[in-house]
Amino acid sequence: QKEVEQDPGPLSVPEGAIVSLNCTYSNSAFQYFMWYRQYSRKGPELLMYTYSSGNKEDGRFTAQVDKSSKYISLFIRDSQPSDSATYLCAISGGYQKVTFGIGTKLQVIP
Amino acid sequence: DADVTQTPRNRITKTGKRIMLECSQTKGHDRMYWYRQDPGLGLRLIYYSFDVKDINKGEISDGYSVSRQAQAKFSLSLESAIPNQTALYFCATSVAGPGTDTQYFGPGTRLTVL
Repeated sequence: QKEVEQDPGPLSVPEGAIVSLNCTYSNSAFQYFMWYRQYSRKGPELLMYTYSSGNKEDGRFTAQVDKSSKYISLFIRDSQPSDSATYLCAISGGYQKVTFGIGTKLQVIP
Repeated sequence: DADVTQTPRNRITKTGKRIMLECSQTKGHDRMYWYRQDPGLGLRLIYYSFDVKDINKGEISDGYSVSRQAQAKFSLSLESAIPNQTALYFCATSVAGPGTDTQYFGPGTRLTVL
């Protein structure tokens, strides 16, 4: 079983839709949760960083962590064509070893 | 200005050639990493360095070597390139300290081995 599972998509949605991206993980020791956004031919850039269970909101983006289910989500409200990218979840136990999901490719159709 | 830079951005080479990919950072971070990214496999850690004198193998270090020339510079070498090393390579940095897992990535080097 992989440490982090993420559906690679692709996921296509119309502009303005709410997008839900998800990852599951296997190690209950993980306690730091991140979402990165990667545009085509670019490096990943940090989008959201959360610690422990609960929600964190930043503009149109909400990161949600459910440690009891080992499940993390990223919600994008009012999605825009500029949100078209690959979204990678990343999980860590706090000692600099970060495990990345394979990424979900999102396309927002105008 | 980019905080993490990688050179070259694109490289095509032949099997058996020695290749060096370079990474420089102006973020002042102690920790640097090399990853490769392949479709369907995601990001995989090749080597990481917590300071100039501390270099560690990642999950896929075979066929690669690294050099940490300074706090700001970390190079990845392929001593004898082979076609399955064709991939997108990323350098990343992070600060030291507990809980500071956020990594900052360079723009990547697209390497093709023929």
